[in-house]
Amino acid sequence: DVKVTQSSRYLVKRTGEKVFLECVQDMDHENMFWYRQDPGLGLRLIYFSYDVKMKEKGDIPEGYSVSREKKERFSLILESASTNQTSMYLCASKASLANYGYTFGSGTRLTVV
Amino acid sequence: DAKTTQPPSMDCAEGRAANLPCNHSTISGNEYVYWYRQIHSQGPQYIIHGLKNNETNEMASLIITEDRKSSTLILPHATLRDTAVYYCIVRVTMTGTASKLTFGTGTRLQVTL
Repeated sequence: DVKVTQSSRYLVKRTGEKVFLECVQDMDHENMFWYRQDPGLGLRLIYFSYDVKMKEKGDIPEGYSVSREKKERFSLILESASTNQTSMYLCASKASLANYGYTFGSGTRLTVV
Repeated sequence: DAKTTQPPSMDCAEGRAANLPCNHSTISGNEYVYWYRQIHSQGPQYIIHGLKNNETNEMASLIITEDRKSSTLILPHATLRDTAVYYCIVRVTMTGTASKLTFGTGTRLQVTL
């Protein structure tokens, strides 16, 4: 089975801090995604990457950046954390040619105080 | 992507079939219907997808109407572990750079004893 591992399950950071959320997948998938999930809003796509060093903005990229230096790792960066970025962050991966099936990580619940 | 409409919540008795409806009246001829679910505190999980014909796998069955304007996900013998939020999504394709998915707010299925 594909595994998508997010480095932290819970994280508490202070306003203004630079925050790194790490995601690693072990099945050589080309596509990787970062979503955030908030009550009543469902999952919203922040950024995605379809290859190493390639990235595209999703629906809500403001306040975030990403890095994909290696195929297996996709990092989400909050340049200066704010309280409105308190959320559940979910990473996912998918093989490029497969017409189905994201594999999601377990999520990181980030609280910015 | 075509817009989907799902009821916000449903209940089902354990052991009975759970039938989750989804309306997608603006679906195009080349758009697939995908179903995912999210169990509390976990990332979403792929269930099934289809284009025109009904589909079945070890998890569920997908019934798509002949005009393709609606579909139903069927969990044949619901268990308490099927309590989750179920998402219906329509997409042209999920290959290559078109792999990004947009999740709505889904249907919260509560399976009860």
